[in-house]
Amino acid sequence: EVQLVESGGGLVKPGRSLRLSCTGSGFVFGDYPMSWFRQAPGKGLEWVALIGRTAYGGAQEYAASVKGRFIISRDDSKSVAFLQMSSLKIEDSALYYCAKDADINGAYFFDYWGQGAQVTVSS
Amino acid sequence: EIVMTQSPATLSVSPGERATLSCRASQSVGTNLAWYQQKPGQAPRLLIHRASMRATGVPGRFSGSGSGTEFALTISSLQSEDFALYYCHQYASWPPGAFGQGTRVEI
Repeated sequence: EVQLVESGGGLVKPGRSLRLSCTGSGFVFGDYPMSWFRQAPGKGLEWVALIGRTAYGGAQEYAASVKGRFIISRDDSKSVAFLQMSSLKIEDSALYYCAKDADINGAYFFDYWGQGAQVTVSS
Repeated sequence: EIVMTQSPATLSVSPGERATLSCRASQSVGTNLAWYQQKPGQAPRLLIHRASMRATGVPGRFSGSGSGTEFALTISSLQSEDFALYYCHQYASWPPGAFGQGTRVEI
């Protein structure tokens, strides 16, 4: 059974940093691009970042709203994807989901999602 | 930037009835369109990809249609577990793709 479990969320002050982790199981983690999404309370879904397969260079892509502040990475030996968030803003407060791409070549639709990690940025 | 607009915002339906949700793209996305279902406190679930392909394990009462700028998700006979929020998502223009604002299906 495919599972994704996020961790690392919490309460942080504006300007500080936080690192989220997403641990996958039930599939060959390194074979798939992985993405992070977020959802602010009562709001819709927003894609945040994507990392491609390590075998193809592990290219990273970012939403304009987080580019230059967030870094996505992966450790396939541990089946983990990370989201390093820096210079956090109040508007970054959201439930952060990691999600698995449905296709090894990157289809950009996502067939498995974790349950989310809450990030709250507040002074 | 492609903008996705879903209608209606809320759809009130009785169990057993048919529900049709609409999604419009501001420019053509071909068939690069997915539908996700989200229940309170849960992660999104992929229902439909490539506009009309059901994801693994999705019941046959869910069907997707459309291409270009006009899309629909139809639930042929609503079950109690189908009352949820539904999002369309275009991935033709990536990054960043774009989600609609959602349609809530309620009793």
